[in-house]
Amino acid sequence: AQSVTQLDSQVPVFEEAPVELRCNYSSSVSVYLFWYVQYPNQGLQLLLKYLSGSTLVKGINGFEAEFNKSQTSFHLRKPSVHISDTAEYFCAVSPSMFSGGYNKLIFGAGTRLAVHP
Amino acid sequence: GAGVSQSPSNKVTEKGKDVELRCDPISGHTALYWYRQSLGQGLEFLIYFQGNSAPDKSGLPSDRFSAERTGGSVSTLTIQRTQQEDSAVYLCASSLTGGSTDTQYFGPGTRLTVL
Repeated sequence: AQSVTQLDSQVPVFEEAPVELRCNYSSSVSVYLFWYVQYPNQGLQLLLKYLSGSTLVKGINGFEAEFNKSQTSFHLRKPSVHISDTAEYFCAVSPSMFSGGYNKLIFGAGTRLAVHP
Repeated sequence: GAGVSQSPSNKVTEKGKDVELRCDPISGHTALYWYRQSLGQGLEFLIYFQGNSAPDKSGLPSDRFSAERTGGSVSTLTIQRTQQEDSAVYLCASSLTGGSTDTQYFGPGTRLTVL
């Protein structure tokens, strides 16, 4: 079984400041990792995903995340945030192809990022 | 259509009534998923379709919940005898094959309020 912990339920930050949203996971099998963003009254949109290879993954809107296997973490970062980044961010895992199964996403509870002017 | 669509966008119903929620996936996507997003529970997986079959229904919370998919396309989630705890946003997603590396594309959701 897999589980995802997002360590901060809310993160307030000023515009143009850097931000890190933390995500830790637990799994008995190898997994793939995802970050999704949900803007107000919208569905979820994929920001980035880690499947294999380089542990630093770049996504849309200037976001990046680093997979750390030893710490079972997949923290999301952006060097300079904009007001428009205000949204809820979800970290998720799914069993890898080597674990069998399908693309079943297990989500964390979400982190609400509030960017202030 | 370019994305996943869901209808209705909002549904208000009285306790005990049945409701149907509809999802139109991206054309050509064989995999379809339903999730529920509620304040206390976060994002919960409900059911996964591959074509018209549902190999994983493990997330359906009770036998009041059922879903079907026809023609490998549209899916309907039905909740019978709704209860107040069913109030949530119901999200549908689709992906090309359901493979582990797939990206799931989400619809805007249906907000269900049970009075």
